[in-house]
Amino acid sequence: GEDVEQSLFLSVREGDSSVINCTYTDSSSTYLYWYKQEPGAGLQLLTYIFSNMDMKQDQRLTVLLNKKDKHLSLRIADTQTGDSAIYFCAEKADNFNKFYFGSGTKLNVKP
Amino acid sequence: DGGITQSPKYLFRKEGQNVTLSCEQNLNHDAMYWYRQDPGQGLRLIYYSQIVNDFQKGDIAEGYSVSREKKESFPLTVTSAQKNPTAFYLCASSPWTGTEGYTFGSGTRLTVV
Repeated sequence: GEDVEQSLFLSVREGDSSVINCTYTDSSSTYLYWYKQEPGAGLQLLTYIFSNMDMKQDQRLTVLLNKKDKHLSLRIADTQTGDSAIYFCAEKADNFNKFYFGSGTKLNVKP
Repeated sequence: DGGITQSPKYLFRKEGQNVTLSCEQNLNHDAMYWYRQDPGQGLRLIYYSQIVNDFQKGDIAEGYSVSREKKESFPLTVTSAQKNPTAFYLCASSPWTGTEGYTFGSGTRLTVV
């Protein structure tokens, strides 16, 4: 499978910005995704970006894609305690709909 | 409301038993998937199915079996051959193109007792 790597933990204070980083290896990836997982629950799609885009903004979320370095980031502005969760990045493999997920970054938001 | 339903939420298995995890979707999605989640290891693909009566092995299929007799349903059987079955199991589905990403169920936590 493809390698998708993320750091395991991130801790921020409420109101600060959070930046979660991800690197991937498949240069043919067409779409890249960010998912959120709350404790004991499934994954919820937050946003996704097509590989020919550099940036996508959706309310408090900003996704940046550096295709040359195969680096994806998710910025959460004005982070709230409700944003505490595990965040997964995923890339869509070129063949069919196989997705490759990173190991997830656990975001802890301190009041 | 359309969605994907996994049951049960919690499941306990004795050594040597087979157990079946249910996954049903009413999204009219063509493709369905099973992932296993272990702490710190992210999601690993067990099996996936593109169409009815067809499925393919993922990265960790050993000790698992699936069927896809109906478009809406993709049950996963954890057999006694799976040596370390304790994990969180997630089912997902997607349209044929998959570009919109997966829709996930809420998961089943399986524990061997």
